[in-house]
Amino acid sequence: QVTLKESGPGILQPSQTLSLTCSFSGFSLSTYGMCVGWIRQSSGKGLEWLANIWWNDDKYYNPSLKNRLTISKDTSNNQAFLKITNMDTADTATYYCARPDYWGQGVMVTVSS
Amino acid sequence: DVVMTQTPVSLSVSLGGQTSISCRSSQSLVHSDGNTYLYWYLQKPGQSPQLLIYKVSNRFSGVPDRFSGSGSGTDFTLKISRVEPEDLGVYYCYQGTHYPWTFGGGTKLELK
Repeated sequence: QVTLKESGPGILQPSQTLSLTCSFSGFSLSTYGMCVGWIRQSSGKGLEWLANIWWNDDKYYNPSLKNRLTISKDTSNNQAFLKITNMDTADTATYYCARPDYWGQGVMVTVSS
Repeated sequence: DVVMTQTPVSLSVSLGGQTSISCRSSQSLVHSDGNTYLYWYLQKPGQSPQLLIYKVSNRFSGVPDRFSGSGSGTDFTLKISRVEPEDLGVYYCYQGTHYPWTFGGGTKLELK
């Protein structure tokens, strides 16, 4: 059974760095062809893909976030991570960790001074 | 970026009825590996999106055969027949062929 679960700070201040963790089970990120990504959704709005990391450590980022993103993984502990620097109130959203076929429940992140 | 245009924005349907959602991409979604990475998701209120269809027309595990996907290139359709209350929510198409991966704007399915 595949599961993914996100964790994060909940609230942070503008200009701070957001660190998110995705803990997953039921698959390995060292398996050929596997990838895990991060997607966010602002309140009442649509979905925005942020980044992917693949089994071979290839990484892809949404250029709209202009080098603010860093994705990484810890294969041994079945975790993936996302860092977003210089957070702004516009980054307030629910952040999801996902394979294309399974998504986590999401973690709400609020940026407020 | 590939723009995914979903229509309509909202749909009103009777229980037991049939409906369809269109998704058009600004460029072909055929990948260099020959696959077309077009997905359909349903997001129910308060939940994360759940996969319905992958690679245009393949139903994901556990998805009823009331859901079907079709299309090719830049033009795709999700059809829902015999609509049930559990089908209500927002439907999204999603392309995973070209980076950055992009979503359609969503179609809200409501009861008439």
